[in-house]
Order: sequence, then C-alpha cells, then structure tokens
Amino acid sequence: GQQVMQIPQYQHVQEGEDFTTYCNSSTTLSNIQWYKQRPGGHPVFLIQLVKSGEVKKQKRLTFQFGEAKKNSSLHITATQTTDVGTYFCAGRHNYGQNFVFGPGTRLSVLP
Amino acid sequence: ETGVTQTPRHLVMGMTNKKSLKCEQHLGHNAMYWYKQSAKKPLELMFVYNFKEQTENNSVPSRFSPECPNSSHLFLHLHTLQPEDSALYLCASSQEFLAGDEQFFGPGTRLTVL
Repeated sequence: GQQVMQIPQYQHVQEGEDFTTYCNSSTTLSNIQWYKQRPGGHPVFLIQLVKSGEVKKQKRLTFQFGEAKKNSSLHITATQTTDVGTYFCAGRHNYGQNFVFGPGTRLSVLP
Repeated sequence: ETGVTQTPRHLVMGMTNKKSLKCEQHLGHNAMYWYKQSAKKPLELMFVYNFKEQTENNSVPSRFSPECPNSSHLFLHLHTLQPEDSALYLCASSQEFLAGDEQFFGPGTRLTVL
C-alpha cells in the first residue's frame, strides 16, 4: 500500500535549539495533517495543509507543504520542554481515501 | 479532553479470554475508527465505520471483531488473542469519513496479552 515516510526517527535537542521533522511520499498527496502525541498520551491534531507550497504558523511551529505536494515539514523554533513528544504526519493520496500515518519523529528536549 | 472516551484504559488478558473495548464520542461525528499502535510500527488503521456502516477492514485477523451500534459508540470485541496483539488501541472519530476532517483520538486502551 501507499506509505508516508518520516525522518528522523528520533531527535534529541537542547532546550532553545530548533527542530525539524520531514514527511515524504513517493506519490502526490491531496492533503496532509500533522499530529502530536505526548508521552503516555494520544495523538492530537495540530494542522492540515492542502495547497501546494502552503505555509502555516502556530506560534513557534511552522508547517510547510512542498510545491509538488509530495513532502511536508514541521519546524519548531527555540524548543521548550513542553514540545517533547512524537510528531506524526498523515497524508492522503487521493480525495476519497483515508489518511496514512507516518511512523513519527520522537523529540526529546534536554533542559 | 477530546470528547472521545475509551474504556477500559488498561487491560490484561490471557490468550483464551474474551473481552471488549468500548469507545464513545460526544462530538456528533459520523465516522469512527479503530487504530492499533505498537512500539515499533506506525499507527495501523484497523476498522472504519461511517454512519454506522463498516467501510474499511484493513486485513485485520478475525480474532478482532468490531461493532458499531450507533454513531456515538464503537466496540472492539477480542477473543483468542496472541501476545503480539499487545499494543495501545486507539479509537478516533471525525465528522465524516473521507471528508478530510481532523480526527479526534481517545486516550486509548493499553492491552497486554499474556
């Protein structure tokens, strides 16, 4: 089946450093969602991107959708300990299909 | 709280037991989902119900049996499970399946099969 890949699998950063996770698909995505799962918690929706080249910001988080709609990124500026968790992207390859989740990037922030 | 509740939160069962997981959503959504989350695998979609009708069954073994009596409730009946079925089982809901809406997840049931 169609897959969505994410890199890196793990990332350890010092508090205050920036962090980026990348989501990639071999085929065009109609739209992409990002979720965050805190340790011991459940995935929580962050944002959805639909348009080619779209950029959305939520405070220190910046989300981008590639021009070819095959990749996306989540960038966190000046990480804080509250950013700890696993960040998942979920891509939909066609309208009329369900979202496929990537394996996630686990972020650790050292104080 | 996301408006999606799951019970029990933790479950330990033997391979010969029969148990059921329950999910309830208070959001007025029409689609409900069961996912399996294992330590080393991405979120795996198991079943989808849209307007109480099952629309997806992603090659899930028959020892997992879903039930959706109405749009607010979803069950996962378990019988003769294997140790490799130990995982976090997440329920989610969205306004409508395939509409591209965000999914609201419940807290999950941590299942251990001995």
